[in-house]
Amino acid sequence: TQLLEQSPQFLSIQEGENLTVYCNSSSVFSSLQWYRQEPGEGPVLLVTVVTGGEVKKLKRLTFQFGDARKDSSLHITAAQPGDTGLYLCAGESGGSNYKLTFGKGTLLTVNP
Amino acid sequence: EAQVTQNPRYLITVTGKKLTVTCSQNMNHEYMSWYRQDPGLGLRQIYYSMNVEVTDKGDVPEGYKVSRKEKRNFPLILESPSPNQTSLYFCASSLRAKLRGETQYFGPGTRLLVL
Repeated sequence: TQLLEQSPQFLSIQEGENLTVYCNSSSVFSSLQWYRQEPGEGPVLLVTVVTGGEVKKLKRLTFQFGDARKDSSLHITAAQPGDTGLYLCAGESGGSNYKLTFGKGTLLTVNP
Repeated sequence: EAQVTQNPRYLITVTGKKLTVTCSQNMNHEYMSWYRQDPGLGLRQIYYSMNVEVTDKGDVPEGYKVSRKEKRNFPLILESPSPNQTSLYFCASSLRAKLRGETQYFGPGTRLLVL
């Protein structure tokens, strides 16, 4: 089973600060997705990265896929209380048997 | 509105009493999947289906069954629930099985408590 390690597990910061969440594995993934989940709801897709070294930006969020497609990072600039939530990374294993492996998540709290 | 619906949203049951959690999507998606989410363990895939009548095991299939007789529905069946199946369950769907470039849509979740 492929594993995705997310760090940190918990993060509490003040509004306006920057932060980075990491998603690491010893396995290669054909694509990697980042989700945000709010209490009482299902995860919502933020972005999919598919090419090694790829960088995608979504307003104040920057996503990067490692060159070897084994790791990814999510950077948030000038965090706002509305960014509070559980951030999940998920890797697609590729091949003929479809599998999606999730990290355990990073619980982010942005205090006003 | 494009969505994935699950029913019930909350369920309390007793050990051994068969139950079914329904999942339906209105987006004509080929791929559907069930996950359970537990504290400290994250989201784990139970079963998935690449199309009608095509299902396969995920990482934690023991104690669960699924069926895919119609494209829109993918029920999760617990034939004899046990307390270790107490969890938060999510159904998800995407247009195709391969995620590259695809969006996976999640339902709102079903919180199950087995006594």
